Amino acid sequence: DAGVIQSPRHEVTEMGQEVTLRCKPISGHNSLFWYRQTMMRGLELLIYFNNNVPIDDSGMPEDRFSAKMPNASFSTLKIQPSEPRDSAVYFCASSYVLAGGGLANEQFFGPGTRLTVL
Amino acid sequence: QQQVKQSPQSLIVQKGGISIINCAYENTAFDYFPWYQQFPGKGPALLIAIRPDVSEKKEGRFTISFNKSAKQFSLHIMDSQPGDSATYFCAARRMDSSYKLIFGSGTRLLVRP
Repeated sequence: DAGVIQSPRHEVTEMGQEVTLRCKPISGHNSLFWYRQTMMRGLELLIYFNNNVPIDDSGMPEDRFSAKMPNASFSTLKIQPSEPRDSAVYFCASSYVLAGGGLANEQFFGPGTRLTVL
Repeated sequence: QQQVKQSPQSLIVQKGGISIINCAYENTAFDYFPWYQQFPGKGPALLIAIRPDVSEKKEGRFTISFNKSAKQFSLHIMDSQPGDSATYFCAARRMDSSYKLIFGSGTRLLVRP
């Protein structure tokens, strides 16, 4: 298994530009997570999908951020317009969560996308 | 109440020594406490985890000690090796949320040869 795949690995853009980060979860996993990691705030959950449906987006910082999961094997995180304070490493993780709650299995993280907004 | 407080922020240990990282929490609704290991340029990876019904869990050189009454848990790395140099995150999960992990701020460990 290739693990969680993220692209691009690095992104440098200018303030005001649209940025799209991509994620392919592990096959068979039904849950997908987007995290943001910064020195100041550590690792924060942005949004959680279960069976392609957004369940918890309370961590999305503002309306400039949006995430989609059109099918079980692909998700995007979009920032429009981007700002310098969005510079961070963005991780996608996937897991298998039992229906109706119960104990979730380990979250597997991708290698991350390092975003720099100038 | 959602926080998990981790210390120290950084740690330097000689090869063969014991590395100890501590975490504390306030929310008694947490029921699962994993530790993640992150190497530079990589995503975090699960290292070891414990549930509050046991006081200790050991996997190889890695041990979690859990003190439910004090709401504290710690990671001990015995016979620390240079290859253990990484950032370590503790985390906690609420029992009413099967997916949401609350992460500590991380400890950067350097093991000197």
